[in-house]
Amino acid sequence: SAVISQKPSRDICQRGTSLTIQCQVDSQVTMMFWYRQQPGQSLTLIATANQGSEATYESGFVIDKFPISRPNLTFSTLTVSNMSPEDSSIYLCSVEFFGQAIGGTQYFGPGTRLTVL
Amino acid sequence: SQKIEQNSEALNIQEGKTATLTCNYTNYSPAYLQWYRQDPGRGPVFLLLIRENEKEKRKERLKVTFDTTLKQSLFHITASQPADSATYLCASEYGQNFVFGPGTRLSVLP
Repeated sequence: SAVISQKPSRDICQRGTSLTIQCQVDSQVTMMFWYRQQPGQSLTLIATANQGSEATYESGFVIDKFPISRPNLTFSTLTVSNMSPEDSSIYLCSVEFFGQAIGGTQYFGPGTRLTVL
Repeated sequence: SQKIEQNSEALNIQEGKTATLTCNYTNYSPAYLQWYRQDPGRGPVFLLLIRENEKEKRKERLKVTFDTTLKQSLFHITASQPADSATYLCASEYGQNFVFGPGTRLSVLP
């Protein structure tokens, strides 16, 4: 396992602004993912963060709204752009490690609680 | 389309009893299922993985079964304690991705 940290842990933002969330891992990982968890709901995968190339987005999520960077094997950012109250949610990053066998276990960061007014 | 369901949104049991949570999947055949625990305000924490060729997996007071005929996994916590109160999520691979069930919120009453 590893230590996964996210910044900020929470934020309250105004409509129309953007927020960048950082995810830092203390060891190199194969895969990094970004999820959203709306109140009382399960996790929904936003995208897979690919090192050195564009992220792979799931249906319903687009790069203009959720730009993602992954400059190296231990760090990724997710930006929530032009926010609206519907973006209020917990945003979580998760990672998989090199050398995992089938059934790569995902390890999650603590999450970023975003409230948009 | 694929779907993971968990039988109960919430489950209350008495301390010391065995909690049993159910995860059902439809329209696909995952090679494995995973179970996670999520506490309020925290990210999910991995508990157990069970592969399709394994009928049962244990870890301390936890037991998971996988029945590919019924398309179902059961997650048991024996001798439950109030500290076991949390939301439990099942998850599986679907193509290149992970999908999560909606979760069951377990409350163990003293």
